[in-house]
Amino acid sequence: DTGVSQNPRHKITKRGQNVTFRCDPISEHNRLYWYRQTLGQGPEFLTYFQNEAQLEKSRLLSDRFSAERPKGSFSTLEIQRTEQGDSAMYLCASSDYRGPATNEKLFFGSGTQLSVL
Amino acid sequence: GEDVEQSLFLSVREGDSSVINCTYTDSSSTYLYWYKQEPGAGLQLLTYIFSNMDMKQDQRLTVLLNKKDKHLSLRIADTQTGDSAIYFCAERLYAGNNRKLIWGLGTSLAVNP
Repeated sequence: DTGVSQNPRHKITKRGQNVTFRCDPISEHNRLYWYRQTLGQGPEFLTYFQNEAQLEKSRLLSDRFSAERPKGSFSTLEIQRTEQGDSAMYLCASSDYRGPATNEKLFFGSGTQLSVL
Repeated sequence: GEDVEQSLFLSVREGDSSVINCTYTDSSSTYLYWYKQEPGAGLQLLTYIFSNMDMKQDQRLTVLLNKKDKHLSLRIADTQTGDSAIYFCAERLYAGNNRKLIWGLGTSLAVNP
């Protein structure tokens, strides 16, 4: 168990560029979540997958954001035409989900810090 | 509505106990969690409590839950400088789905030598 891995750790980009982040969850974890966090705030839910199926996207999520988990293992989050307001820490978390009555514990990666200039 | 509130800052001396408080509004909570976040890092699950419990102890950590008052606290005994971090309280609502984790804004704990 190597934990949740995210890369890159930092990304600096110019406004209007596209960026892609990668998350490798804990092996065998069936759920994978993307969150966004800005300074002084708690994590804000973006989307999540169960295996390869994307089960929910936040209504606050712009169409410029897209996420995939093609084989039910790693996931990518792409932001198209980045804006300065997209600057944030993007966190990935995974869990071994066993059903609604169970305690689903999230394990987070170290995040990707995005700065849009 | 769904809301989790925490005090923003706490400062303690090394060796003292720290108590971080959290209040929540939704009575349908199932589990409540404490996460720790060090600068520039992700969130680390510290401990959790099921909503039908009132106390849980795990080494230096004690979680107290007052369901009637919707109040949760985390006590860290013998606080060390390595405990300096932001502590987030989160509640999981009875939605069978972790997207319904409601987070507080975090309490920044400063431990002074």
